[in-house]
Amino acid sequence: GESVGLHLPTLSVQEGDNSIINCAYSNSASDYFIWYKQESGKGPQFIIDIRSNMDKRQGQRVTVLLNKTVKHLSLQIAATQPGDSAVYFCAEKEGSARQLTFGSGTQLTVLP
Amino acid sequence: GAGVSQSPRYKVAKRGQDVALRCDPISGHVSLFWYQQALGQGPEFLTYFQNEAQLDKSGLPSDRFFAERPEGSVSTLKIQRTQQEDSAVYLCASSFKEGNQPQHFGDGTRLSIL
Repeated sequence: GESVGLHLPTLSVQEGDNSIINCAYSNSASDYFIWYKQESGKGPQFIIDIRSNMDKRQGQRVTVLLNKTVKHLSLQIAATQPGDSAVYFCAEKEGSARQLTFGSGTQLTVLP
Repeated sequence: GAGVSQSPRYKVAKRGQDVALRCDPISGHVSLFWYQQALGQGPEFLTYFQNEAQLDKSGLPSDRFFAERPEGSVSTLKIQRTQQEDSAVYLCASSFKEGNQPQHFGDGTRLSIL
């Protein structure tokens, strides 16, 4: 994804509602995808990953959906809590590469 | 330790000084990565080690940047003759092995060049 500099896309949700954070990726050779949560002053924290041979994976309160046809990834957070407020990044890895390529983040704010 | 540890957490240096940033990965993790994160952006890859071997340094922005992992555990990122554009958060990540594995990040070193 393209960097958006200081102006991150934002998403505000009410506490208890479900959140959906979207990510478009551009490399059709990417075969591994990760969602990270980053709180202010902290490093990215692993949430969930998915390989390209899957289209859905569930964790605790989170679900990742992968649509390879349109190169789209989404993270669903159920019953969003105040502690979920953070910047969320998707990252992709091409099969032959070792490093992750990060998309632009989304700032999630949970309203009381 | 339980997670990736980086030190110092904050570093302020004058332009032209050399700095050294340390990363202590998760014990037993073979792969170690350095990333640079500018304010409001996602991390960008700098370099990769598999044990003590630096297999990819394609992301290092200039020859002023140098990284090492001599014994296959702790790694140091050194920046010589720092410039203002080097100001960023430097993140270290490790993973158990190469391949489609989660990378676990430290909290980074915030470098400010005056």
